[in-house]
Amino acid sequence: DAKTTQPPSMDCAEGRAANLPCNHSTISGNEYVYWYRQIHSQGPQYIIHGLKNNETNEMASLIITEDRKSSTLILPHATLRDTAVYYCIVHKPDRGSTLGRLYFGRGTQLTVWP
Amino acid sequence: DAGVIQSPRHEVTEMGQEVTLRCKPISGHDYLFWYRQTMMRGLELLIYFNNNVPIDDSGMPEDRFSAKMPNASFSTLKIQPSEPRDSAVYFCASALAGGPHEQYFGPGTRLTVT
Repeated sequence: DAKTTQPPSMDCAEGRAANLPCNHSTISGNEYVYWYRQIHSQGPQYIIHGLKNNETNEMASLIITEDRKSSTLILPHATLRDTAVYYCIVHKPDRGSTLGRLYFGRGTQLTVWP
Repeated sequence: DAGVIQSPRHEVTEMGQEVTLRCKPISGHDYLFWYRQTMMRGLELLIYFNNNVPIDDSGMPEDRFSAKMPNASFSTLKIQPSEPRDSAVYFCASALAGGPHEQYFGPGTRLTVT
């Protein structure tokens, strides 16, 4: 799976949009981009994933650049409860033993302040 | 649904003792994952199962670690004998067959080996 690069930390004011970048310049054509987050002392939580097109769900939006070498996770109206470590993962859901293997890096610690 | 259930939530044991961690996945999920998280190494996949069969155990650190899934609703991770370096938070996660990359994590078991 392609490697990702994320800033170690970011902060955001409550109510503002939080834009978390991820660089995955070595991504291959059939690799997806996944985002998870981990609130302190809890297990990671799946947020969203995408291949080429931008995606949106009730939690967030995912913007993938046209060349797919980077992406941005957008939390449109950040709240204090969004303070967490956010992981960007690139993965090819291929058959075989690697199907379910996700590599979580160090992620970005997002702090939302009042 | 109650989500992924793990027990115990906290475990303190002495070096050399056997430790058994338990997990009940979300009903109907086909995949089950065991992860370990430490400050030094981050979140690491230890092993995962598909339909109760171990698929990838390449992350199991050594022979002291073993995992079983006797049925679709129960899995154990055993450490025998335990060592201080096994101290970590152990997470269990489950996923549906159509999306093994959308994993639902349990609350974790915090293991301390003294």
